[in-house]
Amino acid sequence: EPEVTQTPSHQVTQMGQEVILRCVPISNHLYFYWYRQILGQKVEFLVSFYNNEISEKSEIFDDQFSVERPDGSNFTLKIRSTKLEDSAMYFCASNLAASYTFGSGTRLTVV
Amino acid sequence: DQQVKQNSPSLSVQEGRISILNCDYTNSMFDYFLWYKKYPAEGPTFLISISSIKDKNEDGRFTVFLNKSAKHLSLHIVPSQPGDSAVYFCAATCYDKVIFGPGTSLSVIP
Repeated sequence: EPEVTQTPSHQVTQMGQEVILRCVPISNHLYFYWYRQILGQKVEFLVSFYNNEISEKSEIFDDQFSVERPDGSNFTLKIRSTKLEDSAMYFCASNLAASYTFGSGTRLTVV
Repeated sequence: DQQVKQNSPSLSVQEGRISILNCDYTNSMFDYFLWYKKYPAEGPTFLISISSIKDKNEDGRFTVFLNKSAKHLSLHIVPSQPGDSAVYFCAATCYDKVIFGPGTSLSVIP
């Protein structure tokens, strides 16, 4: 069964450093998403991406965040200068119709 | 502003009995509702969905009911099994965005 792959599974970074979280969505899917879940809190929407551009973003997705689909298969989330409060589980998802497939997540720890 | 609410953070059910997980929403523009199941340290896994034009969808042990006038949906699991113990997220879609509820942690006691 097709799956969304996220790497790395765990990333530890120093505050102020840039991180890139990688995702390989399902190949025939058209919409791509990033979500995050801070420990003990709900899953929050960050951004959606369609037709090579951002279609919607939340207030969390400020200038420190960016997304790219550089080569038609990878979908990346970059955090330019990480803060302690960026520590969370980051989930990538893709969808074609109404069924969304999530990756298993990248746990980002900012120290 | 919580558009999708799950007012019970946790639920315990005896094995073999029915589990009922509830979800309320505020936005009448939502056109699709989904339930996800999530184990610790894993991403949410799609379970079952329902279109806003239907009031019931069934898939094996899982049934989702939608009451549009009350802006309420529920997930029924019958019979509940210990492997069903997980966090269940209700979600709703509007255009290209999925909005998740905060989740309900279900414990099925053997």
